[in-house]
Amino acid sequence: SQQGEEDPQALSIQEGENATMNCSYKTSINNLQWYRQNSGRGLVHLILIRSNEREKHSGRLRVTLDTSKKSSSLLITASRAADTASYFCATVILTGGGNKLTFGTGTQLKVEL
Amino acid sequence: KAGVTQTPRYLIKTRGQQVTLSCSPISGHRSVSWYQQTPGQGLQFLFEYFSETQRNKGNFPGRFSGRQFSNSRSEMNVSTLELGDSALYLCASSLEQGPLGVGYTFGSGTRLTVV
Repeated sequence: SQQGEEDPQALSIQEGENATMNCSYKTSINNLQWYRQNSGRGLVHLILIRSNEREKHSGRLRVTLDTSKKSSSLLITASRAADTASYFCATVILTGGGNKLTFGTGTQLKVEL
Repeated sequence: KAGVTQTPRYLIKTRGQQVTLSCSPISGHRSVSWYQQTPGQGLQFLFEYFSETQRNKGNFPGRFSGRQFSNSRSEMNVSTLELGDSALYLCASSLEQGPLGVGYTFGSGTRLTVV
């Protein structure tokens, strides 16, 4: 089962514009991570935000986390055609026997020239 | 340093056969996890291994199994293949036991097609 729902499912923007993707999850988490996937290839880790953090930046990426609303957002500023990919949020929940990533449904981003 | 290596990249098998997929993690990484990705179900967790022990398992039938060797390399096996097993199988490695501090590094995946 999937922990998170992402919104929107698909997003098409022009190069240079900002892209915002949202992720909602169901249970308390240890951390939340965002990954990018190009055309059915492997996932690339973008950024990790811990449950006690509210905002994090990495280059053109900005992630926010609202644990009271169980939601997170990923903002990509000044988007480029190379940002075209699927973006997934994934949550980590502490368990007694190891940990796992539980992925959201993903947002397909298309950046047009 | 080398990334996570998955072999083979592509595989076509017949219903009823079995298949073994291989994953070599980043050197020094002891945690290896496997995920299945399909258009219908998305990314689903299969299992996690740490120091040759399975520490976590997802909701998959017993036909799906795995193991980890002393050099941290991992294999997953699917027996009695069904059409619904067609998917992209992704392996991920992490330095720690689970991604508590850092993210996972994923391989490029093995695309399995069952005909």
